[in-house]
Amino acid sequence: EAGVAQSPRYKIIEKRQSVAFWCNPISGHATLYWYQQILGQGPKLLIQFQNNGVVDDSQLPKDRFSAERLKGVDSTLKIQPAKLEDSAVYLCASSPDRAREKLFFGSGTQLSVL
Amino acid sequence: GQSLEQPSEVTAVEGAIVQINCTYQTSGFYGLSWYQQHDGGAPTFLSYNALDGLEETGRFSSFLSRSDSYGYLLLQELQMKDSASYFCAVKGFQKLVFGTGTRLLVSP
Repeated sequence: EAGVAQSPRYKIIEKRQSVAFWCNPISGHATLYWYQQILGQGPKLLIQFQNNGVVDDSQLPKDRFSAERLKGVDSTLKIQPAKLEDSAVYLCASSPDRAREKLFFGSGTQLSVL
Repeated sequence: GQSLEQPSEVTAVEGAIVQINCTYQTSGFYGLSWYQQHDGGAPTFLSYNALDGLEETGRFSSFLSRSDSYGYLLLQELQMKDSASYFCAVKGFQKLVFGTGTRLLVSP
């Protein structure tokens, strides 16, 4: 079974630039999550999708972050414009309907904002 | 809101047993999960407790007391490869909220 795919693996940008991350969840997983993990901290949920719909985006900085999940499969997370404090690892995860406590994570995108 | 507390770091030697505690405060609680994350890697699922008691999976066990808002992860027969960060995570109605993590250092 293929895992959660994410790209790119690393990204370095300057502040005020824009960046986009891509995620392909495990086939059949309806729930998709984007987490932000700052070095030394636990993952923080940014947005959660159930199929195409947003379940929770209460901690997404909507003035600069946006996410979409077209057709209920792939998802993209965008930051525009980036700030220095956005430097973090962005983790995508998916979970099966019958075990939403069991998240399968991708390898993440390590973002450095200079 | 939700908050979780874990020790920041725990050290142990190979072959020993170590317990990582987690206390939580939450407005809605469905269960407690544990994840392992090696440096530079992604978190991987270890266990989930929805009910009080002990769940055992090989060398790892997880315990939950809902009345005390407390759980722990027990690692037995420690190996060097167990050196990693361990996160407890509270499952609410819709989402999973992670703690700040406990860094486990296993020495020879």
